[in-house]
Amino acid sequence: SQTIHQWPATLVQPVGSPLSLECTVEGTSNPNLYWYRQAAGRGLQLLFYSVGIGQISSEVPQNLSASRPQDRQFILSSKKLLLSDSGFYLCAWSVGSGSTDTQYFGPGTRLTVL
Amino acid sequence: AQTVTQSQPEMSVQEAETVTLSCTYDTSESNYYLFWYKQPPSRQMILVIRQEAYKQQNATENRFSVNFQKAAKSFSLKISDSQLGDTAMYFCAFMKHSAGNKLTFGGGTRVLVKP
Repeated sequence: SQTIHQWPATLVQPVGSPLSLECTVEGTSNPNLYWYRQAAGRGLQLLFYSVGIGQISSEVPQNLSASRPQDRQFILSSKKLLLSDSGFYLCAWSVGSGSTDTQYFGPGTRLTVL
Repeated sequence: AQTVTQSQPEMSVQEAETVTLSCTYDTSESNYYLFWYKQPPSRQMILVIRQEAYKQQNATENRFSVNFQKAAKSFSLKISDSQLGDTAMYFCAFMKHSAGNKLTFGGGTRVLVKP
């Protein structure tokens, strides 16, 4: 069966520091991968998605970037964090098209920028 | 661009009773999918139910069912025989059928099941 992992689970970082959040998927090949951010009490906003290694699409211009160095690994990064980067970050995966389009989410990372 | 609207920020229901959550969406697409996700206090997003737009039959999943009205662009979720474990945020989401399969979420409805 497929599983998705995210780490760290919780992170507190000072403004101006770098960021690296990691997401890995097990039990599937060539998944579509997604990074979402959820502000407190709000819905999810898609940040990046990837349909393959090295293929990244950005949905919202911002202070963050994403990379996909391996088929089942998706990384969210920043060179200098802003206060507004605080939130709950969720990684998701899906595979195929048609009836298998459903996205499945990881446990998330809670990021606090101070 | 697609938009998803959940007009009820919060709802409460007695245990064993039924509650219906509303969701409307706006799109010019004809082929798409709709989802309801549940986010309990742990904050992990859990798929509740999905609906393909080309199917007229409403999806059901145990105690969860939807009322999909394509012409009205409405997609409501009914939770029957509510249980304490149903307490969570519920998000309606839209996805058009294309490469990348991006989800657009509504703002969510908080459901509180009271004993």
